[in-house]
Amino acid sequence: AQSVTQLGSHVSVSEGALVLLRCNYSSSVPPYLFWYVQYPNQGLQLLLKYTSAATLVKGINGFEAEFKKSETSFHLTKPSAHMSDAAEYFCAVSDRSSARQLTFGSGTQLTVLP
Amino acid sequence: EPEVTQTPSHQVTQMGQEVILRCVPISNHLYFYWYRQILGQKVEFLVSFYNNEISEKSEIFDDQFSVERPDGSNFTLKIRSTKLEDSAMYFCASREDSSNQPQHFGDGTRLSIL
Repeated sequence: AQSVTQLGSHVSVSEGALVLLRCNYSSSVPPYLFWYVQYPNQGLQLLLKYTSAATLVKGINGFEAEFKKSETSFHLTKPSAHMSDAAEYFCAVSDRSSARQLTFGSGTQLTVLP
Repeated sequence: EPEVTQTPSHQVTQMGQEVILRCVPISNHLYFYWYRQILGQKVEFLVSFYNNEISEKSEIFDDQFSVERPDGSNFTLKIRSTKLEDSAMYFCASREDSSNQPQHFGDGTRLSIL
């Protein structure tokens, strides 16, 4: 069984400050890892994915995440927050079976303060 | 960019009634999924579908639920006799038949059971 833990259901940062959203996973097999973003009244948009190539993954909108197997972590970062980054962020894990359903974390609501 | 589309965006139904949620996956995708998100909770996997049959389903996906791909483009989720606790946002997703491709999500259908 797989699970995802996102530390901090709410994170607030000032505009221009570093964004760090934490994600730890549990998986008995090498996982695929994903970050999705959800803007109000919208679906889930893929930010980035880790599928066993480079451990530092760059995504859209200036976000990146680093896969650290020893820490079972996949934290999301952005050097400088923008007001438009305010949204809910979900970390997700899947195994490598053919179906590959996603197991999601509980989400982190990011607020960007002016 | 191709999108997953879901209709309707909001469905209000009386308890005990049948409801059908509709999705049009991205055209060259072969794996299809339904997830739900109860208000304030995490996104949960319901079912995956491949080659015209269910490949995986969660314990949530009981006999009240069914999925169908009635033609070459639509993918539907039917709830036979809705309960109050079925009120949630339902997301459809699809994925290419390649080893490391992510799932793409629609904007969701908000189902409200009265």
